[in-house]
Amino acid sequence: KAGVTQTPRYLIKTRGQQVTLSCSPISGHRSVSWYQQTPGQGLQFLFEYFSETQRNKGNFPGRFSGRQFSNSRSEMNVSTLELGDSALYLCASSFEGLSYNEQFFGPGTRLTVL
Amino acid sequence: LAKTTQPISMDSYEGQEVNITCSHNNIATNDYITWYQQFPSQGPRFIIQGYKTKVTNEVASLFIPADRKSSTLSLPRVSLSDTAVYYCLVGSGGSSNTGKLIFGQGTTLQVKP
Repeated sequence: KAGVTQTPRYLIKTRGQQVTLSCSPISGHRSVSWYQQTPGQGLQFLFEYFSETQRNKGNFPGRFSGRQFSNSRSEMNVSTLELGDSALYLCASSFEGLSYNEQFFGPGTRLTVL
Repeated sequence: LAKTTQPISMDSYEGQEVNITCSHNNIATNDYITWYQQFPSQGPRFIIQGYKTKVTNEVASLFIPADRKSSTLSLPRVSLSDTAVYYCLVGSGGSSNTGKLIFGQGTTLQVKP
């Protein structure tokens, strides 16, 4: 079974631009969660989508948004990029999306904002 | 979700057994304890999960005392490739507890030759 895939793997943007990241979950998984990882803040939860609906949301500004498609693939969008948005963005998928279920993480997208 | 506390870093040598203890004093009755491993620039990887007593799989063991206020991840005979950050998490299936994982700072394990 193929793992979680994320595209692109690396991205360089400038301040003020917007960016869209993509995540393809494991086949059959209905939950996709997004995380931001930085050296200073560690791994922080952004939001979770389940069956095309946002089910849980972390404490990030509205510039961070996402969506999920009928095939469970998910996209995350960050508008008006700031230098502090430079991070590794990870997505994770699971069948039911419960926190005690095993979550399968992708390799991440490394975003650099100049 | 219960907060967890674990050592920031640990050193070990190849071939040794490593035990990483995690404290979760406010663990709820229906919380599970889960450990993840993360290598640099990769996503975390599930290692093991338990509710009480002892759980063992092909890579690790998890010891949970009766009061469940702490847990110990045991890695037998570590190798250089076990150098990584290890995260302890607790979570349950409560109605408000969905795919949100709360990661602490984790324990950076450095295995030396």
